[in-house]
Amino acid sequence: GAGVSQSPSNKVTEKGKDVELRCDPISGHTALYWYRQRLGQGLEFLIYFQGNSAPDKSGLPSDRFSAERTGESVSTLTIQRTQQEDSAVYLCASSRNAGGQETQYFGPGTRLLVL
Amino acid sequence: GENVEQHPSTLSVQEGDSAVIKCTYSDSASNYFPWYKQELGKRPQLIIDIRSNVGEKKDQRIAVTLNKTAKHFSLHITETQPEDSAVYFCAASIEGNTPLVFGKGTRLSVIA
Repeated sequence: GAGVSQSPSNKVTEKGKDVELRCDPISGHTALYWYRQRLGQGLEFLIYFQGNSAPDKSGLPSDRFSAERTGESVSTLTIQRTQQEDSAVYLCASSRNAGGQETQYFGPGTRLLVL
Repeated sequence: GENVEQHPSTLSVQEGDSAVIKCTYSDSASNYFPWYKQELGKRPQLIIDIRSNVGEKKDQRIAVTLNKTAKHFSLHITETQPEDSAVYFCAASIEGNTPLVFGKGTRLSVIA
């Protein structure tokens, strides 16, 4: 079946603009995660969703970052008033459920460049 | 919360030699430890994982060992090949609704 997909694959924006990144998880996966990966760095957890439970937003770096998920399907990550330090690859992952031992399947990422 | 440290940050080995990457974690309640491989420009992919009820797991040329007392786990790659060149990430989590905490990654280069 189809894997995790993300769009756009690349996004160039000007400082101060808002951007919206999209993630389509694997069908049937109830858990969805967003990570940020700066150039040459590790995976920085941002937020995750599990079914209808309240999302864990503990990794969001500022109130400019927000995310929504419609049921157990698509999720959007919004960054308002983008800054140059927001430049990174934003990775989405999904798993069957949010149990810590579930394999996470990653999407290809959205490469964001803020000029 | 959980903190995962990974060493070394870069590793170069000759083709055919072994490579070892080590991680330590801080939360003794963590009980799931996966390893992900990320090739250049591609998405991370799970290569092996281990749970706290075992001390070692092997899959062909890849093995992972876990020492819960010392709170560290390691990835071992034997008979390395150029296609093993990638960034490897370790991670840890506690069973239940908690996300994975990743190490900062190790860039492995296998020199032919």
